[in-house]
Amino acid sequence: EPEVTQTPSHQVTQMGQEVILRCVPISNHLYFYWYRQILGQKVEFLVSFYNNEISEKSEIFDDQFSVERPDGSNFTLKIRSTKLEDSAMYFCASSEGAGYQPQHFGDGTRLSIL
Amino acid sequence: AQSVTQLGSHVSVSEGALVLLRCNYSSSVPPYLFWYVQYPNQGLQLLLKYTTGATLVKGINGFEAEFKKSETSFHLTKPSAHMSDAAEYFCAVSDRTDSSYKLIFGSGTRLLVRP
Repeated sequence: EPEVTQTPSHQVTQMGQEVILRCVPISNHLYFYWYRQILGQKVEFLVSFYNNEISEKSEIFDDQFSVERPDGSNFTLKIRSTKLEDSAMYFCASSEGAGYQPQHFGDGTRLSIL
Repeated sequence: AQSVTQLGSHVSVSEGALVLLRCNYSSSVPPYLFWYVQYPNQGLQLLLKYTTGATLVKGINGFEAEFKKSETSFHLTKPSAHMSDAAEYFCAVSDRTDSSYKLIFGSGTRLLVRP
């Protein structure tokens, strides 16, 4: 069964450094998402992406965050200058369509900021 | 704003017992409803979904959920728990009234299965 893949599984970065989290969504999916889960808290929406542009973003997704689909397969999340509070599990998801179509999640990247 | 409440951060059952995990949503217009399961060190796996039609939906691994509009609920059940069901379960909703496609998650319920 096709799946969403994320790399790396664990990323350790110094505060203030840039980090790029990578995702390969399911190939025929058109909608892409990033979520994060801070340890012990809810899974929170960050951003959705469709037709090569951001369709929605949360208040968490400030100017330090950006997303890109550099080619036909990858979907990346960049954090320009990481803060301690960015430490979390980051999940990529994709869906065939919107709303009623289920989102399929990757195994996540655990980001640890030192 | 839409919100999701999962009653009970931890639920413990004996192997073979009924599993009941509760989920309530807040909006007056029923959203699209989903249950996801997360095993340790893994991502979120879709268990089942309700979008329209029959209010009792069946999912993978013997789980099912019933949408009850009058109670704004979408509780997850399984008649007989298995040790392999031990995991964290998340209820999530997607608003059908606007163009937002994001999922809003509950805080999760960790299911413990006792031998």
